[in-house]
Amino acid sequence: GESVGLHLPTLSVQEGDNSIINCAYSNSASDYFIWYKQESGKGPQFIIDIRSNMDKRQGQRVTVLLNKTVKHLSLQIAATQPGDSAVYFCAETYNQGGKLIFGQGTELSVKP
Amino acid sequence: DTAVSQTPKYLVTQMGNDKSIKCEQNLGHDTMYWYKQDSKKFLKIMFSYNNKELIINETVPNRFSPKSPDKAHLNLHINSLELGDSAVYFCASSQEVRRTDTQYFGPGTRLTVL
Repeated sequence: GESVGLHLPTLSVQEGDNSIINCAYSNSASDYFIWYKQESGKGPQFIIDIRSNMDKRQGQRVTVLLNKTVKHLSLQIAATQPGDSAVYFCAETYNQGGKLIFGQGTELSVKP
Repeated sequence: DTAVSQTPKYLVTQMGNDKSIKCEQNLGHDTMYWYKQDSKKFLKIMFSYNNKELIINETVPNRFSPKSPDKAHLNLHINSLELGDSAVYFCASSQEVRRTDTQYFGPGTRLTVL
């Protein structure tokens, strides 16, 4: 599903804690998923991706989990740091042509 | 050394004017994109070009016309600007048009139509 509102969903965590950012994607045919990080005043930056034939993928301090049954994607950030403060987007795609469909975005705020 | 660059970074203009935003990538990529991000941070693709050929054209008003003089450049021209065009516009590029090719975004152009 998709929430509609005036404000982005927000997540506030303490520095050093783990963060989990969730995303519900829309198309059951989507087979490739990406997480992007967008810092204030900058463009989105690739973090990690996962294909639909996997349910988990790990990077440096980040893990993406995919649950195709409920069309849910999550991004886990270990030992969250102030530099992780940003808006995080999930994106899905299901065909060639490079068309990414972005989710709503979640604003992560890290308290020192 | 900026991989994907856009000019200008800020653009303030009156309704009805025509304006252009320029994008250049020095990554040697074949594919370039334009995205629009609205005030709620919702990001949506507008166009993509692969080697100067239009690939994606998402139901964008005819007032928006992308132009790719070569594969390193994709400019966005907007005619008869409207208030609703106010947004941040991002250019991006990827190695090729495959969906698994990482897209690299520029810093964005904040367009304000008064």
